Amino acid sequence: DAKTTQPPSMDCAEGRAANLPCNHSTISGNEYVYWYRQIHSQGPQYIIHGLKNNETNEMASLIITEDRKSSTLILPHATLRDTAVYYCIVRVRDDKIIFGKGTRLHILP
Amino acid sequence: DTAVSQTPKYLVTQMGNDKSIKCEQNLGHDTMYWYKQDSKKFLKIMFSYNNKELIINETVPNRFSPKSPDKAHLNLHINSLELGDSAVYFCASSQNSGDTQYFGPGTRLTVL
Repeated sequence: DAKTTQPPSMDCAEGRAANLPCNHSTISGNEYVYWYRQIHSQGPQYIIHGLKNNETNEMASLIITEDRKSSTLILPHATLRDTAVYYCIVRVRDDKIIFGKGTRLHILP
Repeated sequence: DTAVSQTPKYLVTQMGNDKSIKCEQNLGHDTMYWYKQDSKKFLKIMFSYNNKELIINETVPNRFSPKSPDKAHLNLHINSLELGDSAVYFCASSQNSGDTQYFGPGTRLTVL
């Protein structure tokens, strides 16, 4: 079973920042937080991952709380192409990925 | 240029038939995976191979047999297809088992 809890769906206006929350209250010290997304009819796409520190790349930022029990994925300027299901995953590096139900993000024009 | 490719993209077949889905990656990765996404959109790992050796084998019927002729290819053969096998099957690869996984475009299998 997935170790994370995400809202089933969210809306965000185009051009605004999309903030996707994830709860992982049972995370252990050696587990990373990963984010993937799946655009309709495509394979999942890696976005970002982190252990303790906040991370940023060309796609998004990942903010992890100090107690590591929750995190937020931030898409700074959402576009229509960001409409997708976003999966928050907690895993030890060498372990398999267990996908949950994710958050369906709708970007509104 | 496609990093992880799968063929065919669509596969429609009758119950009881045997079919194969092929996957190739040109990323030089050592680890490859097969996932199944059912009609409820749950995405679950089925198999993982590292350097042509099976390392993950989830509870999958033995009608499903992965084969890795070399580390760039991981094919999935399915015997005696059943209605419940209808799903989208995704192949993925990663440098090593703990690294970022890159997914293929998927193969939509429909069993009639």
